[in-house]
Amino acid sequence: GQQVMQIPQYQHVQEGEDFTTYCNSSTTLSNIQWYKQRPGGHPVFLIQLVKSGEVKKQKRLTFQFGEAKKNSSLHITATQTTDVGTYFCAGEGGGNKLTFGTGTQLKVEL
Amino acid sequence: KAGVTQTPRYLIKTRGQQVTLSCSPISGHRSVSWYQQTPGQGLQFLFEYFSETQRNKGNFPGRFSGRQFSNSRSEMNVSTLELGDSALYLCASSSVGTGLYEQYFGPGTRLTVT
Repeated sequence: GQQVMQIPQYQHVQEGEDFTTYCNSSTTLSNIQWYKQRPGGHPVFLIQLVKSGEVKKQKRLTFQFGEAKKNSSLHITATQTTDVGTYFCAGEGGGNKLTFGTGTQLKVEL
Repeated sequence: KAGVTQTPRYLIKTRGQQVTLSCSPISGHRSVSWYQQTPGQGLQFLFEYFSETQRNKGNFPGRFSGRQFSNSRSEMNVSTLELGDSALYLCASSSVGTGLYEQYFGPGTRLTVT
């Protein structure tokens, strides 16, 4: 079945440093979504990308969808302590079923 | 609008018992999905219901079942509980009709099987 992997699994950064997480699917995706889960919380939707090569920005966050629609990335510029959490990508490869990535846990140190 | 609610929030059961979890979606959302989250396996899709019909199913044994009512509220049942069923069970609703839209997650039910 479809698999969605994310790297890295963990990332520790100093506040102010940049952070990137990469998402790779074993199959072509019709769209990809990104979620953030704070410690002790539940996943919260961030964004959805649909088009090949699409790039979207939300303040310090930049999301990209690969040309082949099999990979995606989330880049955070100048991390803050409020960015702490686990970031998940979720791809829909067919059949209206989302497959979540393995997640990247981000820790931000002062 | 009120968010997705799940009850109970915490549950402790023993092996062999069964459990029923409840989810109330955001008003107007007709799609409800269930996920199992564990530290080792991440977020795994259990099933999705839309207009009282199971539309998608993940790779879980038949001990895991669900249903959806006419008011879109959903229940998930796990029979013959095993230690490995200990997890956070998340419910998510969506306004999806024929397309795929963002999932709005509830706070989850933390199930511990002893």
